[in-house]
Amino acid sequence: AQSVSQHNHHVILSEAASLELGCNYSYGGTVNLFWYVQYPGQHLQLLLKYFSGDPLVKGIKGFEAEFIKSKFSFNLRKPSVQWSDTAEYFCAVIRQAGTALIFGKGTTLSVSS
Amino acid sequence: NAGVTQTPKFQVLKTGQSMTLQCAQDMNHEYMSWYRQDPGMGLRLIHYSVGAGITDQGEVPNGYNVSRSTTEDFPLRLLSAAPSQTSVYFCASSYPNNLGGTEAFFGQGTRLTVV
Repeated sequence: AQSVSQHNHHVILSEAASLELGCNYSYGGTVNLFWYVQYPGQHLQLLLKYFSGDPLVKGIKGFEAEFIKSKFSFNLRKPSVQWSDTAEYFCAVIRQAGTALIFGKGTTLSVSS
Repeated sequence: NAGVTQTPKFQVLKTGQSMTLQCAQDMNHEYMSWYRQDPGMGLRLIHYSVGAGITDQGEVPNGYNVSRSTTEDFPLRLLSAAPSQTSVYFCASSYPNNLGGTEAFFGQGTRLTVV
């Protein structure tokens, strides 16, 4: 069965620090990869997605992620975080032509101003 | 075009009560799914459907029933609510796009408390 691992449960950063959240998945075939963000009290919002092509994908709010197929990884990065990035971040995977996403357990990011 | 609509947004049930969480989409997507979100557990798949009349179990199906009589609707039924079903529930619809990927759209969630 597919699974998604997010390495960090809770990350605490100061404003302007750089961010990298790890995500690894277990599935040997072709996959689509996603990062979602959930701000406190709100619903899920898509940050970025990877289907094919350039393994470096850029999303909203200055986030980017790199797909490294050999490492089964899809890490999320942001060069300089802001207090407003405080949220929970979820990595998700779906196999090509699959029907439902499989999510990691999430990483809570707390940014202090 | 409303996307994925979930009702209600909030619900409190007593143990043993039954209820149905509604999910409707107006995008003509074949695939729909239900997730529950619990602290530290991420979103876990409850049930999913690949089309009208076809449903299957996900990771945590016990205590929940689904049906898919139309493309638009995918209700989630709790037959006898238990405190362990206190959670936030998300419905999603998805479709395979022409890039070989799957696009998913989520509803705004239903916060359910079972006392």
